[in-house]
Amino acid sequence: GQQVMQIPQYQHVQEGEDFTTYCNSSTTLSNIQWYKQRPGGHPVFLIQLVKSGEVKKQKRLTFQFGEAKKNSSLHITATQTTDVGTYFCAGIHAGGTSYGKLTFGQGTILTVHP
Amino acid sequence: EAGVAQSPRYKIIEKRQSVAFWCNPISGHATLYWYQQILGQGPKLLIQFQNNGVVDDSQLPKDRFSAERLKGVDSTLKIQPAKLEDSAVYLCASSFGTASEQYFGPGTRLTVT
Repeated sequence: GQQVMQIPQYQHVQEGEDFTTYCNSSTTLSNIQWYKQRPGGHPVFLIQLVKSGEVKKQKRLTFQFGEAKKNSSLHITATQTTDVGTYFCAGIHAGGTSYGKLTFGQGTILTVHP
Repeated sequence: EAGVAQSPRYKIIEKRQSVAFWCNPISGHATLYWYQQILGQGPKLLIQFQNNGVVDDSQLPKDRFSAERLKGVDSTLKIQPAKLEDSAVYLCASSFGTASEQYFGPGTRLTVT
């Protein structure tokens, strides 16, 4: 089936260190979205990438979509304790009649030690 | 604007009992989703509505789960009978259109004993 794999599963960093999570799909994605879920909370939309090779920035967060539209990454520069949470990528597989069905990765749990 | 509303927030039932969850999406959002999120995993889509029609229910265990979205606004998700493996958080989300950003409700945490 259509899957989205995300690594690493866990990442522990010291405050101020950088953090990166990677997302890979077995098939081409029409777009990819990133969500953040705080402990005990619900997923909150961060960004959507649509174009091949696209790079978007939100303050300390940098999102990339691969040239082949099969992988993506989220990089956080100089982490802060407020960055704690689980980061999910979610892709919409190209082709067929998916009606925009999002397939979520298993998420990367980020903990930041002050 | 008001967010996605869900109730109840928590529910504890015994196996073989039935349970229902309610969702009120953001006003004007045509697309509504129900997800199941098991602890430590990403949300898994159960069913997707476009207005009051189902566009994807391929991962809905139809022998025990049912969902409806009457009048294209509110939606209910029912489980009957519940199994232990149904213990999870059930998330409702809505979006203006398909393939656009989704807004999630707070979820209902279901525990089946």
